[in-house]
Amino acid sequence: AQTVTQSQPEMSVQEAETVTLSCTYDTSESDYYLFWYKQPPSRQMILVIRQEAYKQQNATENRFSVNFQKAAKSFSLKISDSQLGDAAMYFCAYRRMNRDDKIIFGKGTRLHILP
Amino acid sequence: KAGVTQTPRYLIKTRGQQVTLSCSPISGHRSVSWYQQTPGQGLQFLFEYFSETQRNKGNFPGRFSGRQFSNSRSEMNVSTLELGDSALYLCASSLVGGGNIDEQFFGPGTRLTVL
Repeated sequence: AQTVTQSQPEMSVQEAETVTLSCTYDTSESDYYLFWYKQPPSRQMILVIRQEAYKQQNATENRFSVNFQKAAKSFSLKISDSQLGDAAMYFCAYRRMNRDDKIIFGKGTRLHILP
Repeated sequence: KAGVTQTPRYLIKTRGQQVTLSCSPISGHRSVSWYQQTPGQGLQFLFEYFSETQRNKGNFPGRFSGRQFSNSRSEMNVSTLELGDSALYLCASSLVGGGNIDEQFFGPGTRLTVL
């Protein structure tokens, strides 16, 4: 069975600084997607960034980038120039490719931004 | 384009009652997935529907059921409610699902409280 582990339940970062959220996963599949989702307090879950396992290049979206280490089954999220609006729960997630839409989520990391 | 909508947003029920939650996907989306979010268990997959057929099911008791209509709207039903069913229920829609590269968009959720 696939699992996703986020070892940091909470983190804090000073505004404008850089922070890295950790995630490891376990799967025997070779084709899959990895995601980072953001869930602000009392607001909807939104997709931050996505990585296809077959792509070696790390995905980036503006201030958000990932470090995807397929052999190590590691998928960390780096947020550069942290902003107050980045405060949220961040979920690392996994989904098999071309099988079904079931997403397996980690337990989440609550990120606090210190002004 | 309107996002995923869920009704009602908040619900209070008592043990033993049953409840029906509704999810309207983004126009044109045919796949709908449901998740239960609790502080203890995190986000757990309930089921995925596509073209009125359940395509995948999570590890939940038979008290949890769902269906999808021809317009892709989906409902989930929980019978004989238990205190542990108190949770945020999220639905997500995508164009065709099935592990396709399509992004899944989440609704705001229905907060169910069982007393």
